[in-house]
Amino acid sequence: QQQVKQSPQSLIVQKGGISIINCAYENTAFDYFPWYQQFPGKGPALLIAIRPDVSEKKEGRFTISFNKSAKQFSLHIMDSQPGDSATYFCAASSTGNQFYFGTGTSLTVIP
Amino acid sequence: ETGVTQSPTHLIKTRGQQVTLRCSSQSGHNTVSWYQQALGQGPQFIFQYYREEENGRGNFPPRFSGLQFPNYSSELNVNALELDDSALYLCASSPLAGGAGTGELFFGEGSRLTVL
Repeated sequence: QQQVKQSPQSLIVQKGGISIINCAYENTAFDYFPWYQQFPGKGPALLIAIRPDVSEKKEGRFTISFNKSAKQFSLHIMDSQPGDSATYFCAASSTGNQFYFGTGTSLTVIP
Repeated sequence: ETGVTQSPTHLIKTRGQQVTLRCSSQSGHNTVSWYQQALGQGPQFIFQYYREEENGRGNFPPRFSGLQFPNYSSELNVNALELDDSALYLCASSPLAGGAGTGELFFGEGSRLTVL
Protein backbone atom coordinates (compact mmCIF):
# COMPACT_ATOMS: atom_id res chain seq x y z
CA GLN A 1 0.00 0.00 0.00
CA GLN A 2 1.38 3.35 -1.06
CA GLN A 3 1.65 5.51 2.07
CA VAL A 4 2.12 8.71 0.08
CA LYS A 5 0.32 9.25 -3.23
CA GLN A 6 1.80 11.76 -5.64
CA SER A 7 0.41 13.38 -8.78
CA PRO A 8 0.86 14.11 -11.60
CA GLN A 9 3.37 11.57 -12.86
CA SER A 10 4.74 14.09 -15.33
CA LEU A 11 4.36 17.80 -15.87
CA ILE A 12 5.36 20.17 -18.66
CA VAL A 13 5.44 23.88 -17.92
CA GLN A 14 6.50 26.92 -19.88
CA LYS A 15 9.39 28.98 -18.57
CA GLY A 16 8.05 31.52 -16.11
CA GLY A 17 4.98 29.46 -15.31
CA ILE A 18 3.89 27.85 -12.05
CA SER A 19 4.53 24.15 -11.44
CA ILE A 20 2.24 22.42 -8.96
CA ILE A 21 2.76 18.91 -7.61
CA ASN A 22 0.36 17.31 -5.18
CA CYS A 23 0.68 14.63 -2.52
CA ALA A 24 -1.77 12.92 -0.20
CA TYR A 25 -1.21 10.72 2.83
CA GLU A 26 -3.27 8.59 5.21
CA ASN A 27 -1.16 8.17 8.33
CA THR A 28 -1.98 10.99 10.73
CA ALA A 29 1.15 10.18 12.72
CA PHE A 30 3.31 11.69 9.98
CA ASP A 31 4.89 14.90 11.28
CA TYR A 32 7.54 15.82 8.75
CA PHE A 33 6.90 16.37 5.05
CA PRO A 34 9.92 17.05 2.82
CA TRP A 35 10.21 17.51 -0.91
CA TYR A 36 13.26 16.14 -2.69
CA GLN A 37 14.62 17.06 -6.12
CA GLN A 38 16.50 14.48 -8.17
CA PHE A 39 18.49 15.07 -11.32
CA PRO A 40 19.43 12.16 -13.62
CA GLY A 41 22.35 10.19 -12.25
CA LYS A 42 22.19 11.93 -8.89
CA GLY A 43 20.73 11.13 -5.52
CA PRO A 44 17.70 13.07 -4.24
CA ALA A 45 18.45 16.39 -2.54
CA LEU A 46 16.25 18.11 0.01
CA LEU A 47 14.43 21.09 -1.50
CA ILE A 48 12.08 22.25 1.24
CA ALA A 49 10.22 20.68 4.15
CA ILE A 50 7.28 21.46 6.43
CA ARG A 51 5.85 20.27 9.73
CA PRO A 52 2.07 20.11 10.27
CA ASP A 53 1.93 23.04 12.69
CA VAL A 54 2.07 25.50 9.78
CA SER A 55 -0.03 25.70 6.62
CA GLU A 56 2.56 27.18 4.31
CA LYS A 57 6.31 27.51 4.00
CA LYS A 58 8.11 29.52 1.37
CA GLU A 59 11.76 29.43 0.38
CA GLY A 60 12.60 31.55 -2.62
CA ARG A 61 10.55 30.33 -5.59
CA PHE A 62 9.47 27.16 -3.78
CA THR A 63 6.40 26.98 -1.54
CA ILE A 64 4.81 24.08 0.33
CA SER A 65 1.10 24.33 1.06
CA PHE A 66 -0.13 21.97 3.76
CA ASN A 67 -3.74 21.02 4.49
CA LYS A 68 -3.82 18.93 7.65
CA SER A 69 -7.56 18.24 7.61
CA ALA A 70 -7.43 17.01 4.02
CA LYS A 71 -4.14 15.19 4.60
CA GLN A 72 -2.67 16.79 1.51
CA PHE A 73 0.36 18.89 0.74
CA SER A 74 1.67 20.41 -2.43
CA LEU A 75 4.78 21.97 -3.91
CA HIS A 76 4.48 25.16 -5.92
CA ILE A 77 7.40 26.31 -8.05
CA MET A 78 6.95 29.91 -9.10
CA ASP A 79 8.63 31.39 -12.17
CA SER A 80 9.70 27.91 -13.28
CA GLN A 81 13.06 27.75 -15.04
CA PRO A 82 14.60 25.14 -17.38
CA GLY A 83 17.09 24.37 -14.61
CA ASP A 84 14.16 23.19 -12.48
CA SER A 85 13.64 20.27 -14.89
CA ALA A 86 14.07 17.24 -12.65
CA THR A 87 12.10 14.58 -10.82
CA TYR A 88 10.41 15.70 -7.61
CA PHE A 89 9.48 13.41 -4.75
CA CYS A 90 7.30 14.18 -1.79
CA ALA A 91 7.89 12.21 1.37
CA ALA A 92 6.56 11.78 4.87
CA SER A 93 7.93 10.53 8.16
CA SER A 94 6.70 10.05 11.70
CA THR A 95 9.79 8.82 13.46
CA GLY A 96 12.59 10.42 11.50
CA ASN A 97 14.09 7.07 10.62
CA GLN A 98 11.72 5.75 7.96
CA PHE A 99 10.67 8.03 5.14
CA TYR A 100 7.84 7.11 2.78
CA PHE A 101 8.33 8.58 -0.68
CA GLY A 102 5.82 9.28 -3.40
CA THR A 103 6.30 7.82 -6.87
CA GLY A 104 7.77 11.01 -8.27
CA THR A 105 6.85 13.73 -10.76
CA SER A 106 8.99 14.35 -13.80
CA LEU A 107 8.99 18.11 -14.42
CA THR A 108 10.03 19.56 -17.76
CA VAL A 109 10.27 23.33 -18.10
CA ILE A 110 10.21 24.44 -21.72
CA PRO A 111 12.28 27.54 -22.55
CA GLU B 1 32.96 18.91 3.99
CA THR B 2 32.76 15.58 2.16
CA GLY B 3 29.31 14.41 1.12
CA VAL B 4 27.93 10.89 1.07
CA THR B 5 29.95 8.62 -1.19
CA GLN B 6 28.90 5.22 -2.47
CA SER B 7 30.70 2.42 -4.25
CA PRO B 8 30.59 0.86 -6.70
CA THR B 9 28.56 3.16 -8.94
CA HIS B 10 27.46 0.39 -11.27
CA LEU B 11 27.60 -3.39 -11.10
CA ILE B 12 26.12 -6.38 -12.84
CA LYS B 13 25.39 -9.67 -11.08
CA THR B 14 23.60 -12.85 -11.97
CA ARG B 15 20.65 -14.32 -10.17
CA GLY B 16 21.61 -16.17 -7.00
CA GLN B 17 24.84 -14.25 -6.44
CA GLN B 18 25.61 -12.00 -3.49
CA VAL B 19 26.51 -8.31 -3.53
CA THR B 20 28.01 -5.81 -1.08
CA LEU B 21 27.49 -2.09 -1.50
CA ARG B 22 29.43 0.48 0.50
CA CYS B 23 28.67 3.93 1.82
CA SER B 24 30.68 6.61 3.57
CA SER B 25 28.50 9.01 5.49
CA GLN B 26 28.85 12.76 5.44
CA SER B 27 31.27 14.15 7.99
CA GLY B 28 29.62 14.51 11.39
CA HIS B 29 26.65 12.26 10.55
CA ASN B 30 26.17 9.23 12.77
CA THR B 31 23.11 7.71 11.13
CA VAL B 32 22.96 5.90 7.80
CA SER B 33 19.85 4.75 5.93
CA TRP B 34 19.58 2.59 2.83
CA TYR B 35 16.88 2.93 0.19
CA GLN B 36 16.04 0.95 -2.92
CA GLN B 37 14.83 2.95 -5.92
CA ALA B 38 13.38 0.91 -8.76
CA LEU B 39 13.23 2.52 -12.17
CA GLY B 40 10.52 5.19 -12.28
CA GLN B 41 9.68 4.79 -8.60
CA GLY B 42 10.36 6.60 -5.38
CA PRO B 43 12.95 5.35 -2.90
CA GLN B 44 11.81 2.51 -0.62
CA PHE B 45 13.25 2.31 2.91
CA ILE B 46 15.35 -0.78 3.54
CA PHE B 47 16.83 -0.04 6.98
CA GLN B 48 18.66 2.48 9.10
CA TYR B 49 21.79 2.10 11.23
CA TYR B 50 22.64 4.16 14.28
CA ARG B 51 25.59 3.45 16.56
CA GLU B 52 26.31 0.25 14.66
CA GLU B 53 22.85 -1.16 15.40
CA GLU B 54 19.86 -1.56 13.09
CA ASN B 55 17.39 1.19 14.00
CA GLY B 56 14.34 0.48 11.92
CA ARG B 57 13.66 -1.77 8.95
CA GLY B 58 11.30 -1.57 6.00
CA ASN B 59 9.46 -4.38 4.27
CA PHE B 60 12.50 -6.21 2.90
CA PRO B 61 13.38 -9.90 3.41
CA PRO B 62 16.25 -11.03 5.67
CA ARG B 63 18.53 -11.60 2.67
CA PHE B 64 18.97 -7.82 2.80
CA SER B 65 21.37 -7.14 5.65
CA GLY B 66 23.69 -4.38 6.70
CA LEU B 67 26.49 -3.20 8.89
CA GLN B 68 27.64 0.09 10.30
CA PHE B 69 31.23 0.59 11.35
CA PRO B 70 32.69 2.74 14.17
CA ASN B 71 33.51 5.48 11.63
CA TYR B 72 29.77 5.50 10.68
CA SER B 73 30.37 4.08 7.22
CA SER B 74 28.03 1.29 6.22
CA GLU B 75 27.55 -1.74 4.00
CA LEU B 76 24.45 -3.21 2.42
CA ASN B 77 24.59 -6.91 1.64
CA VAL B 78 22.09 -8.72 -0.53
CA ASN B 79 22.19 -12.50 -0.75
CA ALA B 80 20.56 -14.80 -3.29
CA LEU B 81 19.97 -12.02 -5.78
CA GLU B 82 16.70 -11.98 -7.68
CA LEU B 83 15.87 -10.21 -10.93
CA ASP B 84 13.61 -7.78 -9.03
CA ASP B 85 16.59 -6.62 -6.98
CA SER B 86 17.73 -4.63 -10.01
CA ALA B 87 17.54 -1.02 -8.84
CA LEU B 88 19.43 2.03 -7.70
CA TYR B 89 20.53 1.59 -4.10
CA LEU B 90 20.78 4.87 -2.25
CA CYS B 91 22.60 5.53 0.96
CA ALA B 92 21.60 8.55 3.02
CA SER B 93 23.24 9.92 6.11
CA SER B 94 21.73 12.27 8.63
CA PRO B 95 22.84 14.19 11.69
CA LEU B 96 20.22 12.40 13.76
CA ALA B 97 20.36 10.80 17.13
CA GLY B 98 18.42 7.63 16.52
CA GLY B 99 15.65 9.24 14.54
CA ALA B 100 15.19 12.60 16.21
CA GLY B 101 16.17 15.98 14.84
CA THR B 102 15.40 17.72 11.57
CA GLY B 103 14.90 14.51 9.67
CA GLU B 104 16.90 15.72 6.68
CA LEU B 105 18.48 12.98 4.62
CA PHE B 106 21.66 13.59 2.65
CA PHE B 107 21.79 11.12 -0.23
CA GLY B 108 24.70 9.74 -2.16
CA GLU B 109 24.51 9.23 -5.91
CA GLY B 110 23.70 5.57 -5.54
CA SER B 111 24.89 2.20 -6.74
CA ARG B 112 23.04 0.88 -9.76
CA LEU B 113 22.66 -2.88 -9.55
CA THR B 114 21.59 -4.96 -12.52
CA VAL B 115 20.71 -8.60 -11.91
CA LEU B 116 20.69 -10.84 -14.98
